[in-house]
Amino acid sequence: GIQVEQSPPDLILQEGANSTLRCNFSDSVNNLQWFHQNPWGQLINLFYIPSGTKQNGRLSATTVATERYSLLYISSSQTTDSGVYFCADNTGNQFYFGTGTSLTVIP
Amino acid sequence: DTAVSQTPKYLVTQMGNDKSIKCEQNLGHDTMYWYKQDSKKFLKIMFSYNNKELIINETVPNRFSPKSPDKAHLNLHINSLELGDSAVYFCASADRVVFGTGELFFGEGSRLTVL
Repeated sequence: GIQVEQSPPDLILQEGANSTLRCNFSDSVNNLQWFHQNPWGQLINLFYIPSGTKQNGRLSATTVATERYSLLYISSSQTTDSGVYFCADNTGNQFYFGTGTSLTVIP
Repeated sequence: DTAVSQTPKYLVTQMGNDKSIKCEQNLGHDTMYWYKQDSKKFLKIMFSYNNKELIINETVPNRFSPKSPDKAHLNLHINSLELGDSAVYFCASADRVVFGTGELFFGEGSRLTVL
C-alpha cells in the first residue's frame, strides 16, 4: 500500500500566525484529500485536491502529484483551527492515511 | 441533513456484552467503510462494502461483523466486547473509487467505552 508521512507531527502556534503542513507519499498521488479533526472529534473535509492549488478562506492546499507531496497552508490561524490534520490518498477502494499533524493555536 | 450519520454517538458498556453501531449515508455512494480510531488518533480500516458486497476485510477479530442491507447502510456488530475495543468507530462513504477517483466522507463517529 501507499505510505503516507505527515510533518510536523505536532505544532503550536500563536493566534494570527501562519503555518504549512506537509504530506509525503511513497507513490504517485491519485486523489489526495485533507481532513481536519476538530477537538470534538469530527472529521471535516477540507480539500479534495488530486493536483494543483485550491483555496478556501484562510486555508489553501497545493498538491504536486508527480513529486508525491501536498502542502496545507493555514494563514492567520485562529483557535478554532486547533485539532488534528490528516491527509489521505486512495488507490482503488483503499484509502491510506497519514498519522496526522496535531495543531494547537494559543490565544 | 447529515450526509453520513451514525448511531449511537456514545456507547458505554460492560465487557462481554454485544453492541451494534448503525450507519447510513444519503450521498448515493456505492462504497462504505468502517474505521477504528484509537487513542493515538490513527485511522485503521476495518471493513469496506461496495454495493452490499464485502471488498475489504482487514485483520480484525471475528467478534466484529459488518452487515450491509443495502448500499446506503453499513452496520457494525461487536460480540463479547473487550477492554481493547474501546475506541472511536467512524463510518465513511465514497463514490467512484473503483474508477480511480473518489472523495471520502466521514460520519461523526461513535465513541465506544468498554468497562
